[in-house]
Amino acid sequence: AQTVTQSQPEMSVQEAETVTLSCTYDTSESDYYLFWYKQPPSRQMILVIRQEAYKQQNATENRFSVNFQKAAKSFSLKISDSQLGDAAMYFCAYRSWGSGYALNFGKGTSLLVTP
Amino acid sequence: DGGITQSPKYLFRKEGQNVTLSCEQNLNHDAMYWYRQDPGQGLRLIYYSQIVNDFQKGDIAEGYSVSREKKESFPLTVTSAQKNPTAFYLCASRGQGADTQYFGPGTRLTVL
Repeated sequence: AQTVTQSQPEMSVQEAETVTLSCTYDTSESDYYLFWYKQPPSRQMILVIRQEAYKQQNATENRFSVNFQKAAKSFSLKISDSQLGDAAMYFCAYRSWGSGYALNFGKGTSLLVTP
Repeated sequence: DGGITQSPKYLFRKEGQNVTLSCEQNLNHDAMYWYRQDPGQGLRLIYYSQIVNDFQKGDIAEGYSVSREKKESFPLTVTSAQKNPTAFYLCASRGQGADTQYFGPGTRLTVL
């Protein structure tokens, strides 16, 4: 199974500043999807952004963008103009074409946003 | 409203009892999934189903069972054989040909 590693258990950012969350993964596949999900205190998993591996262009969704480095197997999430509502656990996930397209998750990064 | 519902939100079980967690979706999605989340851990796959009357084991299926008699429903039974069932359980679904899974609000199971 593909392994997803999030090396930062906790991160902190001030409101309005920018923060980058790291994610690396291990795979022998050439095509796959990568996702970032947000889990606020309500524990609802919310999709933040997704990236298909064959697409060179980095995905962007409003204040959220990724830096996808396929050769390095790296998929970091950048949050710009951080807001108090961004405080949550963030999970990186890998989706292959097998296992019913199930997701392999990292252990998560807890993001604290300070005023 | 379209979405995924899970019930109950909180569930308490005595040791030795089987319990069933409900997952329903009205998104007309073909695929459904069950994940388990433990403190400090990411989500791990228990079972998945891509069509009605068919399902496959995930990474941690031991002690769990599922059924998929209707497209909308994918209940998970936690049996007494599951040695450490206290966890947060999340159900997800995905449309045919789609790349993204959407999640329900989860069920917190506690064994007393």
